[in-house]
Amino acid sequence: AQSVTQLGSHVSVSEGALVLLRCNYSSSVPPYLFWYVQYPNQGLQLLLKYTSAATLVKGINGFEAEFKKSETSFHLTKPSAHMSDAAEYFCAVSLPYNQGGKLIFGQGTELSVKP
Amino acid sequence: DTAVSQTPKYLVTQMGNDKSIKCEQNLGHDTMYWYKQDSKKFLKIMFSYNNKELIINETVPNRFSPKSPDKAHLNLHINSLELGDSAVYFCASSPGHSGANVLTFGAGSRLTVL
Repeated sequence: AQSVTQLGSHVSVSEGALVLLRCNYSSSVPPYLFWYVQYPNQGLQLLLKYTSAATLVKGINGFEAEFKKSETSFHLTKPSAHMSDAAEYFCAVSLPYNQGGKLIFGQGTELSVKP
Repeated sequence: DTAVSQTPKYLVTQMGNDKSIKCEQNLGHDTMYWYKQDSKKFLKIMFSYNNKELIINETVPNRFSPKSPDKAHLNLHINSLELGDSAVYFCASSPGHSGANVLTFGAGSRLTVL
């Protein structure tokens, strides 16, 4: 069965510092992996996705994530945090087509950015 | 032009009442979903429809009944509301349900049961 674990429910960084949000997954089949971001009082929007092409995936707003099969990880990084990056971030894995393509979310990580 | 729109955005009601949340998408997608986000921000899928056909029905009380009159609409009706139903409900849509599809979410409907 597929599942996702995000390490750290809250991460705080200073503006300009590296952002690292951790995500580990378990999957019985090659996974599709996603990062979504939720700004306060809004719905989720896609940051980036991995679908078995390049292992380093670039997304919007300067974020990127690297798929590491040996570590079953898909950590999200950004070299330099901006105040506008403060939000809730969700890692997700999806089930295969024959299981409805269901998207399973991690618990979320709240990112705070200090001036 | 909002891609996935939900109404109402806020809903405050008493225990035992029945309420509905409506969702419409103008993206031409075939698949629509309802997710529930609890007070700890945890997101859990409730239902998924593909071209008006129910394809995912999680362990949700049968007080919750989705209805898809056409592939652009997916409504959620809740009977006999309970305190534990208080949450933010998100509608989403995707081109299909292959697993690689990206979901587009609505802004959410915050339900408060008193």
